[in-house]
Amino acid sequence: GAGVSQSPSNKVTEKGKDVELRCDPISGHTALYWYRQSLGQGLEFLIYFQGNSAPDKSGLPSDRFSAERTGGSVSTLTIQRTQQEDSAVYLCASSSLPTVYEQYFGPGTRLTVT
Amino acid sequence: GENVEQHPSTLSVQEGDSAVIKCTYSDSASNYFPWYKQELGKRPQLIIDIRSNVGEKKDQRIAVTLNKTAKHFSLHITETQPEDSAVYFCAAGGGSYIPTFGRGTSLIVHP
Repeated sequence: GAGVSQSPSNKVTEKGKDVELRCDPISGHTALYWYRQSLGQGLEFLIYFQGNSAPDKSGLPSDRFSAERTGGSVSTLTIQRTQQEDSAVYLCASSSLPTVYEQYFGPGTRLTVT
Repeated sequence: GENVEQHPSTLSVQEGDSAVIKCTYSDSASNYFPWYKQELGKRPQLIIDIRSNVGEKKDQRIAVTLNKTAKHFSLHITETQPEDSAVYFCAAGGGSYIPTFGRGTSLIVHP
């Protein structure tokens, strides 16, 4: 079946602009995660959605970052007033209960802020 | 919160040798320990996982061992092949729904 998809695959933006990154999870997966991966680094947790519960935003690095998940499916990560340090690969992952940790990752969006 | 340490950061082996990557965790409530493989430019993929009710799990050439008392778990790859070259991430979870990842190990298998 279809896996997790993300768009765009690459995004180059100027410092100060806003960007939106999209994630389409696997159909039926109730949990959705956003991570950030800087070059040569590990996975930095950003935000977690589970069903209709309030999201866990504890990983968002600043108030310039926000995310929504509409209808329990598609999610959008928005970065306002982008900075050069926001440059990274943004990965989305989804998983289903009860194996909530078997995460299936999308291909990521490579964001470059110039 | 949980803290996961992963070693080594880089591991270079000859084809056919074994490779071992080790992780330690801090939260005794963690009960799920997955390993992900990320090839260059690609997405992380789950290759094996272990839950706290078992001490070892094998899948062909890969195995994971868990020592809950010492709070460490390891990935073992036998008979390494060039296609095993990738970055491997461990993670720990269970205290919350948010797993904590190690910083990754770059495995290089020389033909």
